[in-house]
Amino acid sequence: NAGVMQNPRHLVRRRGQEARLRCSPMKGHSHVYWYRQLPEEGLKFMVYLQKENIIDESGMPKERFSAEFPKEGPSILRIQQVVRGDSAAYFCASSPPVGDTEAFFGQGTRLTVV
Amino acid sequence: GQQLNQSPQSMFIQEGEDVSMNCTSSSIFNTWLWYKQDPGEGPVLLIALYKAGELTSNGRLTAQFGITRKDSFLNISASIPSDVGIYFCAGRFGGTASKLTFGTGTRLQVTL
Repeated sequence: NAGVMQNPRHLVRRRGQEARLRCSPMKGHSHVYWYRQLPEEGLKFMVYLQKENIIDESGMPKERFSAEFPKEGPSILRIQQVVRGDSAAYFCASSPPVGDTEAFFGQGTRLTVV
Repeated sequence: GQQLNQSPQSMFIQEGEDVSMNCTSSSIFNTWLWYKQDPGEGPVLLIALYKAGELTSNGRLTAQFGITRKDSFLNISASIPSDVGIYFCAGRFGGTASKLTFGTGTRLQVTL
């Protein structure tokens, strides 16, 4: 059973470009969470999605950031018009629809904006 | 957003020593989790605590859920080189599908 798969592992974008980060949850998991980790800091919650629904986006910046989890395919975190301050590690976690299982984290995508 | 306060921020210890770190919050939680993060990797869950006062062990690791629900500690006994990494606490108010609030991390380095 493959774990949470994130790609790409590393992404370099110039200021003003768009960044697309992908997350494939573990098999059977329908809940996805995105967290951001700035250098030397802990992870900060961004958004929680279920299939085709955004459940909690209280941690998402109001502009330039969006997330989706379509019926088919991976969850996508999209950052438009990236700025240097968007440079960070972005982690996805997934959990099953029912039960008491804690979420599993992926290996992250490290975004560098130059 | 809120981050939990972890201490110490970093520590150097000798192999075989015991380690203790703690985490405090201004808000109460009904779940405390402890994670380890290796360089370039995602966090890996070590211990989960679900009841105030609960003391739980996982091998050489022991963690407790503070009685006030605003703090937790993690102990590592007889440290070994592979214990090197960053340890994060995380708190949650809600079920397993709720968001986590992470601590600032404790960087552990072990010398032989």
